[in-house]
Amino acid sequence: QVQLAQSGAEVKKPGASVKVSCKASGYTFTGHYLHWVRQAPGQGPVWMGWIDPNSGDTRYAQRFQGRVTMTRDTSLSTVSMEMEGLTSDDTAVYYCARYKTGYVGAFDMWGQGTLVTVSS
Amino acid sequence: QSALTQPPSASGTPGQRIIISCSGGTSNVGTNSVNWYLQLPGTAPKLLIYSSNQRPSGVPDRFSGSKSGTSASLAISGLQSEDEADYYCATWDDKLDDLIFGGGTKLTVL
Repeated sequence: QVQLAQSGAEVKKPGASVKVSCKASGYTFTGHYLHWVRQAPGQGPVWMGWIDPNSGDTRYAQRFQGRVTMTRDTSLSTVSMEMEGLTSDDTAVYYCARYKTGYVGAFDMWGQGTLVTVSS
Repeated sequence: QSALTQPPSASGTPGQRIIISCSGGTSNVGTNSVNWYLQLPGTAPKLLIYSSNQRPSGVPDRFSGSKSGTSASLAISGLQSEDEADYYCATWDDKLDDLIFGGGTKLTVL
């Protein structure tokens, strides 16, 4: 079945970087953009950007420009999101989500989430 | 503070019909379609409504969406205990050039 499996929880110190991966299965990996969304404890979701697994093209939300890098490995059907310069405000659950092609903001499959904790 | 305003809470009794609103502006809801997500505690959001009024396969027809002007609504009829969750609206904002989510509505089934 269609599935997005994310890497495990991370604990990082302020100023460090984190890389979260998302492995797709059950569908054509290059057929759907993959987006990243994060959710801080008790808060609503925040969109971070997308990657086209086919071309590698990316688009980042303005608030994360310069701090986030999204990449893909087509041989592994995996996308990754790396964030640098972590602060406590980056403590959140990070989700990858599959874009329902043609419908802006519609994500029809989500990963299970990866908790990133930033603490000294 | 989100550009999309949702009531922080809503409640209803089993079998009742409730409506959750999502109020925006001309650069977001007024121009673009709205999506709705349901989120149970400790789980990822689940797509409930896309393109303002379309249900993905597998979503019961008890859930329906609508949009008028700069406001969108999610209606849940025949309320069930398992509907108790957080609900979020989401749409693209042309001015912010960003995908935005509402602040969320926590639905309690009494």
